[in-house]
Amino acid sequence: RKEVEQDPGPFNVPEGATVAFNCTYSNSASQSFFWYRQDCRKEPKLLMSVYSSGNEDGRFTAQLNRASQYISLLIRDSKLSDSATYLCVVTKENNFNKFYFGSGTKLNVKP
Amino acid sequence: NAGVTQTPKFQVLKTGQSMTLQCAQDMNHEYMSWYRQDPGMGLRLIHYSVGAGITDQGEVPNGYNVSRSTTEDFPLRLLSAAPSQTSVYFCASSYSMGQGMADTQYFGPGTRLTVL
Repeated sequence: RKEVEQDPGPFNVPEGATVAFNCTYSNSASQSFFWYRQDCRKEPKLLMSVYSSGNEDGRFTAQLNRASQYISLLIRDSKLSDSATYLCVVTKENNFNKFYFGSGTKLNVKP
Repeated sequence: NAGVTQTPKFQVLKTGQSMTLQCAQDMNHEYMSWYRQDPGMGLRLIHYSVGAGITDQGEVPNGYNVSRSTTEDFPLRLLSAAPSQTSVYFCASSYSMGQGMADTQYFGPGTRLTVL
């Protein structure tokens, strides 16, 4: 079983739409959680960390549900520039230097 | 700061050839990692290092060697290239925040490797 699972998409949405992605992780001892963004043929870049209490950064909101072992990312008022692949990342307790990546969810925002 | 740099950007090898992918960071990060990314597979950890002189295996270490003689450099060596090693390779570095908490990973621009 994969450590981290994501719906590959693609999610095709119009500009201005709200879109949500979920990601599930298999290890209940996972410690740190992140969402990364990857543009085509580029390196991944941190979008936001995910805290137990949930956190928001502008149009982006991340939530963590430890009981159900999933992480979510909500994007409000989608922009064309949000088109990318979104990667869910977790680390394990006491092994935080090993990052486990999901295979990514592709988002296409259309005019 | 240059961040994380990788060379070369592109490489074509023949089966059986060896080569070294270079990675360097100027952020004084303790942790460095090598990943490969294949379509539909996401990023998979090859090897990682928690400091100079210390390395460990990730999920897919076979066919690759690493060393960490300095904090800044973390080269990845392909011993005898195979077509299955055709992939995009990313190097990453990060701080330790201590107490089991991971800090952001910063990635290099990647090396696109084709093995014929």
